[in-house]
Amino acid sequence: DAGITQSPRHKVTETGTPVTLRCHQTENHRYMYWYRQDPGHGLRLIHYSYGVKDTDKGEVSDGYSVSRSKTEDFLLTLESATSSQTSVYFCAISPGQGAVNEKLFFGSGTQLSVL
Amino acid sequence: GENVEQHPSTLSVQEGDSAVIKCTYSDSASNYFPWYKQELGKRPQLIIDIRSNVGEKKDQRIAVTLNKTAKHFSLHITETQPEDSAVYFCAASLYGNNRLAFGKGNQVVVIP
Repeated sequence: DAGITQSPRHKVTETGTPVTLRCHQTENHRYMYWYRQDPGHGLRLIHYSYGVKDTDKGEVSDGYSVSRSKTEDFLLTLESATSSQTSVYFCAISPGQGAVNEKLFFGSGTQLSVL
Repeated sequence: GENVEQHPSTLSVQEGDSAVIKCTYSDSASNYFPWYKQELGKRPQLIIDIRSNVGEKKDQRIAVTLNKTAKHFSLHITETQPEDSAVYFCAASLYGNNRLAFGKGNQVVVIP
C-alpha cells in the first residue's frame, strides 16, 4: 500500500466547532485529494492540491478549507462543523505523471461524527 | 461537469457465475475510466482502468470494456468468488484534468 496516513481515524465533535483532518504521505506524490463518502452518494471530491500551496475546489467544497504547506501534508478544515458534514473522509494521492488522475491511492479514512 | 451513473445499484450472483456492472458517462471528451473496489470497512483500491484508445482490457478474472459511441463502459468479473463481494466504483475523467468523477457505487454480493 502507498504510504498514506490519515489522522485521526475517528472523531466525534459538536456542531459549530472547527475540525482539522490531516493527511500525511511518504510517497512524494504531487497530487493530493480529499473526498467524502456518504451512502447513496459515492465518493465526492471536496478539494484537491496539485502542489505546495496550490489547491482548488471540488464539487462539494462549501464549508471546507484546505492547506498544503509541505509536499507530504494536506489538511482539511471544517470551519464550523455541521451535522451534514458527518461522513467518512478519504484522502487520496496520485503521482501526477502523465495523466494526473491515474492511480489514486486512498488512505484508510476518517469517520467524523458531528453531534 | 462529468456525470457518471452506475447500474444496477446492487447485484447478487451465485459463486462461479459472472457479474457485469455498467457505467454511463456524459462528457464525450472523457478518456480515462478506472474501476475501484471497496471491501467493507476498507479503503477504495484501483482494480483496473482503461483509456479511450482501447476497447477492452483484461486482468485475470476481471475485464473492462468501453463503448465510446454509446458513452458507457462495463466491468466484467468471471468465475466470481466470495472475496469479490464489495462495492465497485466506476469513474471518468479527461486526460490532464485533475478531477475524477465517481459513480455512486454498485454493491456486488457473491452467494456461496
